[in-house]
Amino acid sequence: AQSVAQPEDQVNVAEGNPLTVKCTYSVSGNPYLFWYVQYPNRGLQFLLKYITGDNLVKGSYGFEAEFNKSQTSFHLKKPSALVSDSALYFCAVRDITRDDKIIFGKGTRLHILP
Amino acid sequence: GAGVSQTPSNKVTEKGKYVELRCDPISGHTALYWYRQSLGQGPEFLIYFQGTGAADDSGLPNDRFFAVRPEGSVSTLKIQRTERGDSAVYLCASSLQAIGELFFGEGSRLTVL
Repeated sequence: AQSVAQPEDQVNVAEGNPLTVKCTYSVSGNPYLFWYVQYPNRGLQFLLKYITGDNLVKGSYGFEAEFNKSQTSFHLKKPSALVSDSALYFCAVRDITRDDKIIFGKGTRLHILP
Repeated sequence: GAGVSQTPSNKVTEKGKYVELRCDPISGHTALYWYRQSLGQGPEFLIYFQGTGAADDSGLPNDRFFAVRPEGSVSTLKIQRTERGDSAVYLCASSLQAIGELFFGEGSRLTVL
């Protein structure tokens, strides 16, 4: 069965600095990978996805993520953080070879300090 | 509206009661998912529909939980003999196709007293 790990419960970054939120995954076949963001008292919003092709994926609000097959990672990045980026971020994976369900990580809370 | 709609947004019930939570997906979306989210946790998979059939119900915690999608659109999550541990936000999501991203509703917050 597939699984997702987000090793950091919380990440603190100063405004204007680059940010990284880590995600590693485990699947028996080929992965589809996703990042979602959740603002307080709101539903989850899609940020970006990796299906196939270029390992660097660009998404909403200036976020990007890099698929690294050898390290089984899909870290979320942004070159310059904004205070408004403060939220809860979830990584998710689907094992497309098995046409399987989408599984989410436990989330990482991102605090951007002004 | 154009998004995923979940009703009720809040439900307070007593231990032992029966509860139904409804999800109205985006029109034309064939895949529908139910998740459960507790405070500070990630969404926990419950069940996934492709069309009318449950493609994977391995996340349902026990036989008190059941979900249907009789016409391949609206889905209902049913919880019998509710327990305090069932208290959580129940999230519904839909996608256009099996490989697509999920679009989430705002969730139904269930509180069992």
